[in-house]
Amino acid sequence: EAGVTQSPTHLIKTRGQQATLRCSPISGHTSVYWYQQALGLGLQFLLWYDEGEERNRGNFPPRFSGRQFPNYSSELNVNALELEDSALYLCASSPRSGMVSYEQYFGPGTRLTVT
Amino acid sequence: RKEVEQDPGPFNVPEGATVAFNCTYSNSASQSFFWYRQDCRKEPKLLMSVYSSGNEDGRFTAQLNRASQYISLLIRDSKLSDSATYLCVVNLNTGGFKTIFGAGTRLFVKA
Repeated sequence: EAGVTQSPTHLIKTRGQQATLRCSPISGHTSVYWYQQALGLGLQFLLWYDEGEERNRGNFPPRFSGRQFPNYSSELNVNALELEDSALYLCASSPRSGMVSYEQYFGPGTRLTVT
Repeated sequence: RKEVEQDPGPFNVPEGATVAFNCTYSNSASQSFFWYRQDCRKEPKLLMSVYSSGNEDGRFTAQLNRASQYISLLIRDSKLSDSATYLCVVNLNTGGFKTIFGAGTRLFVKA
């Protein structure tokens, strides 16, 4: 069974540009989560999508946004990039939400570098 | 106070040693608990869920103490390949589902 996939693996942008990151969940999973992990720091929750709807978001500014498509894949958009947005962006998926006992499975991440 | 707290370590242990990590959480409404391991510059991988009755998977044992609001992970007979960062994860639903990751505990197992 294929795991969570993310693209691109690496992304280099300049300050002020926009970045788009993509995630495909495990087949059968409807929930997708996005996290930011800056170098040497813990995972910070960004966004949670389920059944095409944004269900929750972390303490990030509105320039971090995303969406979930009918096939449950998801996109994270970061507008007006700042240097401190440089981080590993991880996507995770889990079976249908509403059950907090479900584990999350992570993709390999997209490493975003803002110069 | 952080919602999920872990000792950052590092824990330096010889091969074959037994090592234990604790993790405390602040919200009594926390509902499910997990341990993940993360290797350097890689994604977190699920190690095990943690149940109230405690659970074991080979050399790994996880325990949950709801009264004291902590979970633990015990690794027996440490291997070099156990060297990683171990993340404590808590799920809760307080008007909205939320997942909180601890900052992790670093483990180095040496020959």
